[in-house]
Order: sequence, then structure tokens, then C-alpha cells
Amino acid sequence: DQQVKQNSPSLSVQEGRISILNCDYTNSMFDYFLWYKKYPAEGPTFLISISSIKDKNEDGRFTVFLNKSAKHLSLHIVPSQPGDSAVYFCAASAQGGSEKLVFGKGTKLTVNP
Amino acid sequence: NAGVMQNPRHLVRRRGQEARLRCSPMKGHSHVYWYRQLPEEGLKFMVYLQKENIIDESGMPKERFSAEFPKEGPSILRIQQVVRGDSAAYFCASSPERLGVSHEQYFGPGTRLTVT
Repeated sequence: DQQVKQNSPSLSVQEGRISILNCDYTNSMFDYFLWYKKYPAEGPTFLISISSIKDKNEDGRFTVFLNKSAKHLSLHIVPSQPGDSAVYFCAASAQGGSEKLVFGKGTKLTVNP
Repeated sequence: NAGVMQNPRHLVRRRGQEARLRCSPMKGHSHVYWYRQLPEEGLKFMVYLQKENIIDESGMPKERFSAEFPKEGPSILRIQQVVRGDSAAYFCASSPERLGVSHEQYFGPGTRLTVT
């Protein structure tokens, strides 16, 4: 039973355009959401997070949007750069528990020059 | 300021041997998490530890797997009598004292275990 779903295994965009990565979750107890970027043979790198009390968080080229009623979040990267090419994981945790992260399966983003 | 350190980066074991994976959290971090990633999958939570305490081991297989985070030294994930299905990337993450507020977890580079 996958509680965090990333339904697009891959996404290809042109350099300079917007990349939109999507994530859906089923567990209404989740209240903290994170995006990680991962290169092959490396550990995940934290990108940006959002608490359930917010609907948007922005950090430079990265913006995360949260729609609690739809149990959906998205990561926007503007403008996309070739160095952004990586696998992006969405993760969620429930405060009050151990705050273990529940990950989606990832979306492989390719930014073409 | 060193990040999360894991060693070894690669580990090859024959079936039936023991595997020991080490993790040193970031300076100032007192919470350690272990995750496992199988090919083409996301990371799956295994265990959450604080110094000398296991807080949540709900993701650990019931047999052959154990973890510790002693008062001194790194956290250890131990797999006894390894089988081919244990081949995976094992990631350690750390976070600071939470104080009721959620924090992001910072990951190490992982240990890639291959069981032959």
C-alpha cells in the first residue's frame, strides 16, 4: 500500500522552461512534506519542505505547492537547468510519531540543453 | 562541517556472512534513521534511533537485522546471515533535536551491499 505516489516515472523538459513534478498522498496524518534530489550512487539531497499549515514555500528556483484537500503537492523548478537532471523524491512524515519519512518511488527529470 | 558519513561505501558479502554498516550523523544531530532502497524503488524506512535508544523499529525485518546507536561512536546496522535479497543501498540520515517541530533529515552517501 503506497502512501506516497509519484505517478510519473520520468519527465523531460528543455533548459530554461518550467519543470513540474507531482506527488499524491493518501495518509491524512501526514503534515510535513519534503522534496529530495538524488544523483546516481549518491545519497538524497534535501531541496525544500512544506508544513501542512502552508500552501506554498519558495526557495530560489524551487517552489513547492500543497493542496491538502486534494492530498497533492507539486515541485516547480524555474528556470530548469541541465544540472537539475536527477531523480526527485517526494517524502512525507506525520508529526507526533517517529517522523520517519515515507517516500514515493521518484521521478527522473532530464533537462535538455 | 562534515555531513553524514557512512562506511563502507561498498560492501560485498557471501551468503551467510554478516554485514556491518556504520553511520556517523552530522555534528549536533542526535537522531539517526536508516533506510533501504531496492532497485527502481523509493527509500523504505527501517529504524529510528537516538543515543542508546531505539525509538521506532517498525520497518526492520523481524529476523537477522539489528541496529544500535551507542553513547560513543557511530550507529551500526547489522545484518546477520545475509541473503541475496538483502542486496540494496542502505542510507543513513540524521536530524537535530526536534523540540516539537519537524525537521528535514540529511542523508549520507549510502552503503551499497552486494550479496553473492
